[in-house]
Amino acid sequence: DAGVTQSPTHLIKTRGQQVTLRCSPISGHKSVSWYQQVLGQGPQFIFQYYEKEERGRGNFPDRFSARQFPNYSSELNVNALLLGDSALYLCASSLFRYPPYEQYFGPGTRLTVT
Amino acid sequence: DQQVKQNSPSLSVQEGRISILNCDYTNSMFDYFLWYKKYPAEGPTFLISISSIKDKNEDGRFTVFLNKSAKHLSLHIVPSQPGDSAVYFCAASATGNTGKLIFGQGTTLQVKP
Repeated sequence: DAGVTQSPTHLIKTRGQQVTLRCSPISGHKSVSWYQQVLGQGPQFIFQYYEKEERGRGNFPDRFSARQFPNYSSELNVNALLLGDSALYLCASSLFRYPPYEQYFGPGTRLTVT
Repeated sequence: DQQVKQNSPSLSVQEGRISILNCDYTNSMFDYFLWYKKYPAEGPTFLISISSIKDKNEDGRFTVFLNKSAKHLSLHIVPSQPGDSAVYFCAASATGNTGKLIFGQGTTLQVKP
């Protein structure tokens, strides 16, 4: 079975622009979570979607939004990009919404804001 | 407010010996803990997990120990192999917290041949 896939792999944007990142979960997984990882730190939770509804939101500004589609794939949108948004954006899928569960991560999208 | 802390940024061990990676947490509501391994240019890979109702979980060369009174968990890798060289993250979640994982800063493990 294919793992979690993310696109694009790398992205370079200019301050003020908008970006959309995409994620396809493992087949059968209904939960998708998004994380931001900056260099030298652990991943930081942005959103969780389960059954197409937002189930959790981390401490990120409203410039960050996401959605989940009927096929459980997901998009993360970031508006009005800032230099500080440069990071690795990780998508993770899991079978369940609550523990016990394990989240399986994709390879990430490296976003650079100049 | 760092709720999950990995105080050792790096660890170096000899091949065949034991690697012990440590993690401390502050939130007593955490009831599920996970360890991930990350290679450069890849996403984190799930290794092993433990529920707060247990104090030990084993999977092959990997064992996780949980000490709830000390709010401390550790990952033991025995025997260590050069392919284990990676960044290791511990993560925690609280039931009802909508699947949010709180990660530590990571520990870079180097296993020398």
